[in-house]
Amino acid sequence: DAGVTQSPTHLIKTRGQQVTLRCSPISGHKSVSWYQQVLGQGPQFIFQYYEKEERGRGNFPDRFSARQFPNYSSELNVNALLLGDSALYLCASSLRQGNEKLFFGSGTQLSVL
Amino acid sequence: DAKTTQPTSMDCAEGRAANLPCNHSTISGNEYVYWYRQIHSQGPQYIIHGLKNNETNEMASLIITEDRKSSTLILPHATLRDTAVYYCIVSSSSNTGKLIFGQGTTLQVKP
Repeated sequence: DAGVTQSPTHLIKTRGQQVTLRCSPISGHKSVSWYQQVLGQGPQFIFQYYEKEERGRGNFPDRFSARQFPNYSSELNVNALLLGDSALYLCASSLRQGNEKLFFGSGTQLSVL
Repeated sequence: DAKTTQPTSMDCAEGRAANLPCNHSTISGNEYVYWYRQIHSQGPQYIIHGLKNNETNEMASLIITEDRKSSTLILPHATLRDTAVYYCIVSSSSNTGKLIFGQGTTLQVKP
């Protein structure tokens, strides 16, 4: 079975641009979470979506937004990119909102120049 | 802020047991202890979790103290492929989509 897939794997943008990252959860998983991982630090929670509704939001500015589609895939959008947005963006899925295990994708490496 | 404290780094000889400690003195009664690891350039991988009893699976064992204020992850026979950053996380099982990661412990398995 396919794991969590994220696209693209790498992305280079310039300051002020907008970016959309995509995530396909494991088949049957209805919960998707997004994390940002800056080099040398642990992942930081951005959003959680379950059954297409936002169920949690981390301490990130309104430039960050996300949505979940009827097939449970998800997109993370970041507007007005800053240099500090350069990071590995991780998507994780689970069967339910409160499931014990999160399954992570390999992430999208975003570089903002 | 993370609710756990872990050593920054540890070394282990290949084939020996790796014991990774974690302090979580403010853990609540309904919070579980979760362990994930992250191998370079990959997403975190779930290892094991527990509430108050010791747990074992095909990857590792988790020993939780009786007062639940600390725990130890044990990799019984470490291999070079176990070199990774190991994260200890406490979280309510009602919403494990939102995990608070700390800095983790970088485990280096040496030949």
